Amino acid sequence: ETGVTQSPTHLIKTRGQQVTLRCSSQSGHNTVSWYQQALGQGPQFIFQYYREEENGRGNFPPRFSGLQFPNYSSELNVNALELDDSALYLCASSSPLGRVNTEAFFGQGTRLTVV
Amino acid sequence: DAKTTQPNSMESNEEEPVHLPCNHSTISGTDYIHWYRQLPSQGPEYVIHGLTSNVNNRMASLAIAEDRKSSTLILHRATLRDAAVYYCILRDVKGSQGNLIFGKGTKLSVKP
Repeated sequence: ETGVTQSPTHLIKTRGQQVTLRCSSQSGHNTVSWYQQALGQGPQFIFQYYREEENGRGNFPPRFSGLQFPNYSSELNVNALELDDSALYLCASSSPLGRVNTEAFFGQGTRLTVV
Repeated sequence: DAKTTQPNSMESNEEEPVHLPCNHSTISGTDYIHWYRQLPSQGPEYVIHGLTSNVNNRMASLAIAEDRKSSTLILHRATLRDAAVYYCILRDVKGSQGNLIFGKGTKLSVKP
């Protein structure tokens, strides 16, 4: 059973640029969630994908978008990067959707720095 | 999801038990209590969860108050590897999309 893997591990971008972060979910998991974690804070929910469709969204602007592919891997895209987008971006997979008595598995995250 | 309250930080000595408290006075009858921890430079990892009864697993024990308004995560013998931020999270079984709502958690330091 493979775990959740994210790429890249670190990234530096310039303000105004666009970025794509990638996540491979744990084997057999069809639900992927993305979180943003600013320094010293707990992770904040961005959105969730289930069977290739967005299934819930946190308080993030539309320039944060995502995709889920048939193999359940996922991408997080951020357009028009701002300095405040600098954070650790975490991907979590789980299955099945909405089963709150099951656990979520997190990747190690992508550290994004916007300069 | 209902909110939880945890101390900002706690200290423990290695090989001693650690009791991490969490208050959730507005918990509903359908909320599960979940604990996750985040080691330095890693993503969060699941520790344990429960609904009403106390729970034990290989990592920890979860003691839930009878009125369910508080719970305690118990690490029976702290090791240096247990130094992490511990998050107590409530998840509603009804209509939940499955996302986790994290607070700031409790930063646990373990002294040798």
